[in-house]
Amino acid sequence: QSVLTQPPSVSGAPGQRVTISCTGSSSNIGADYDVHWYQQLPRTAPKLLIYENINRPSGVPDRFSGSKSGTSASLAITGLQPEDEADYYCQSYDSSLSDSVFGGGTKLTVL
Amino acid sequence: EVQLVQSGAEMKKPGESLKISCKASGYSFTEYWIGWVRLVPGKGLEWMGIIFPGDSDTRYSPSFQGQVSISADKSINTAYLQWSSLKASDSAIYYCARPRPTDQQGHYYMDVWAKGTTVTVSS
Repeated sequence: QSVLTQPPSVSGAPGQRVTISCTGSSSNIGADYDVHWYQQLPRTAPKLLIYENINRPSGVPDRFSGSKSGTSASLAITGLQPEDEADYYCQSYDSSLSDSVFGGGTKLTVL
Repeated sequence: EVQLVQSGAEMKKPGESLKISCKASGYSFTEYWIGWVRLVPGKGLEWMGIIFPGDSDTRYSPSFQGQVSISADKSINTAYLQWSSLKASDSAIYYCARPRPTDQQGHYYMDVWAKGTTVTVSS
């Protein structure tokens, strides 16, 4: 059971908008720790997608955006493309565990 | 270009020892942290620990403290992850990655990742 909870799967048609939630608690996201997002395409290493809640590294399309509110964070993907089909993970810090924590991951399927 | 290159896949028996490596290039190795993340298929990513090669300051995730050893050789820009006695439950993909600090103490994110090393432990 992951400290950060993500839906196991989401799906959408090409061109649509999807969101992936990441729900934590008062010792991590709710304690105002930043949230980061990673994309893992099939058979490849994870790649940083969003850092510190809302920032995109150079080269990441602006179709990807992050937000945070209360004890949750979200990753939104607009204009869904077939190449977006991947696993997505959120990551933050938990003060009770004194440890960095990941969500369990969400598999995005582009229909 | 910042690059992290890991050693190849390993197949080991329970009880054997193992040391896998991660060679960094394209940046000053002693000025950045470097760390390890485990991926167990179906279980997701797990933060294992990080090391600062400049002074060998090492910070383990509580879940992995005492289970693995993280080290670095700054003369050859290489970090290591080591087991003294493998278990079947250590079978996973291990990623080397570069942690970047946030302004929150103890909180990092990984900005560059290597391709991973698959470790299979089976009798």
